[in-house]
Amino acid sequence: DTAVSQTPKYLVTQMGNDKSIKCEQNLGHDTMYWYKQDSKKFLKIMFSYNNKELIINETVPNRFSPKSPDKAHLNLHINSLELGDSAVYFCASSQGPNQPQHFGDGTRLSIL
Amino acid sequence: AQSVTQLDSHVSVSEGTPVLLRCNYSSSYSPSLFWYVQHPNKGLQLLLKYTSAATLVKGINGFEAEFKKSETSFHLTKPSAHMSDAAEYFCVVSNAGGTSYGKLTFGQGTILTVHP
Repeated sequence: DTAVSQTPKYLVTQMGNDKSIKCEQNLGHDTMYWYKQDSKKFLKIMFSYNNKELIINETVPNRFSPKSPDKAHLNLHINSLELGDSAVYFCASSQGPNQPQHFGDGTRLSIL
Repeated sequence: AQSVTQLDSHVSVSEGTPVLLRCNYSSSYSPSLFWYVQHPNKGLQLLLKYTSAATLVKGINGFEAEFKKSETSFHLTKPSAHMSDAAEYFCVVSNAGGTSYGKLTFGQGTILTVHP
């Protein structure tokens, strides 16, 4: 069983479109995260939710909106996609803040 | 504030020789420190963690790291490299307190190449 699963694995779309990435974890963790990894492999946190409440919200354009319907899911919706949004987006989860995080395999977003 | 510096962007070793990946950190609070490994087209996998217990931490696949507060370092080592160790390695710091509680800050990554 995959502990942290993201869908889709690849996402190719045009500028201006709206898209969503889904994340689910079956580890029973309370905390979930979204990261962006740029072309130079630098990883930066975007959001973190603990028990469905937002606890970390980095400087991210408000075109990005996370949604946590329950503790096991944290989805990422992106409006009006731009070229600079091309990256790999990783979802992760942990038992709580400051605990080791388990990562999904990433969603590779390419904007044409 | 917290930050991580991985001192080498690339490290190349021969199979069977020791591995040393260097990491320095800064943190305003007692940090938790982690090493993660990323294989191509994969997510990150936890190798080991330091959370203020023993300063020498043993991880998976024969890796270990030593926390040295006086040097603000957390270098990753392995006595004998294996071809399967070829990947990118990230040193990570997490604060135990303050407004950035739970936020992971990643180093720039070190690509490890292992030659036969």
